[in-house]
Amino acid sequence: GQQLNQSPQSMFIQEGEDVSMNCTSSSIFNTWLWYKQDPGEGPVLLIALYKAGELTSNGRLTAQFGITRKDSFLNISASIPSDVGIYFCAGQLETGANNLFFGTGTRLTVIP
Amino acid sequence: GAVVSQHPSWVICKSGTSVKIECRSLDFQATTMFWYRQFPKQSLMLMATSNEGSKATYEQGVEKDKFLINHASLTLSTLTVTSAHPEDSSFYICSARAHGNTYEQYFGPGTRLTVT
Repeated sequence: GQQLNQSPQSMFIQEGEDVSMNCTSSSIFNTWLWYKQDPGEGPVLLIALYKAGELTSNGRLTAQFGITRKDSFLNISASIPSDVGIYFCAGQLETGANNLFFGTGTRLTVIP
Repeated sequence: GAVVSQHPSWVICKSGTSVKIECRSLDFQATTMFWYRQFPKQSLMLMATSNEGSKATYEQGVEKDKFLINHASLTLSTLTVTSAHPEDSSFYICSARAHGNTYEQYFGPGTRLTVT
């Protein structure tokens, strides 16, 4: 299957700091989604992106659909302890397959 | 809106037995549901895609006779792990896509299966 590379794999930050993570692929995607997963839970959809260059915010979260359609990034501003979790990017290929491909995940730890 | 439930949330079974996991979309109709498997500290691996009223499409390497999927209605899909073995122990997560929505998937809370 398609490989989505996320970086960094893990982050340890102080409460209040901003966070940035990204997701890259060798293939072109027509949709990028960002999810957050808490331990023992299913992923929760944070932001959905549908157009190249699109910049979308959801509270303190901002995500962008890369111009090349092969990447996306997620920023979290003024992090708080409840931001702790694993963040996954997911994409749907341009070719129209109806399933999502998931990134490798970024594990975020926020130190109070 | 867009709530997906799974039942049970966890199950322990003996080798050789079968286990059924239910996935329900509570407040929307889901023409397509997906079943994923997740190992500790790893990403989600798609097992199969099920469309209401038709046979599921399995990903390469996933045994369709071992992981039986039934999508009998627009709000319910079931995954049955047959003749379970310890290596089937994992976190199984379903997701659902609303009718008419091409892209967004909403996930259930997952089911942790332990086979002894």
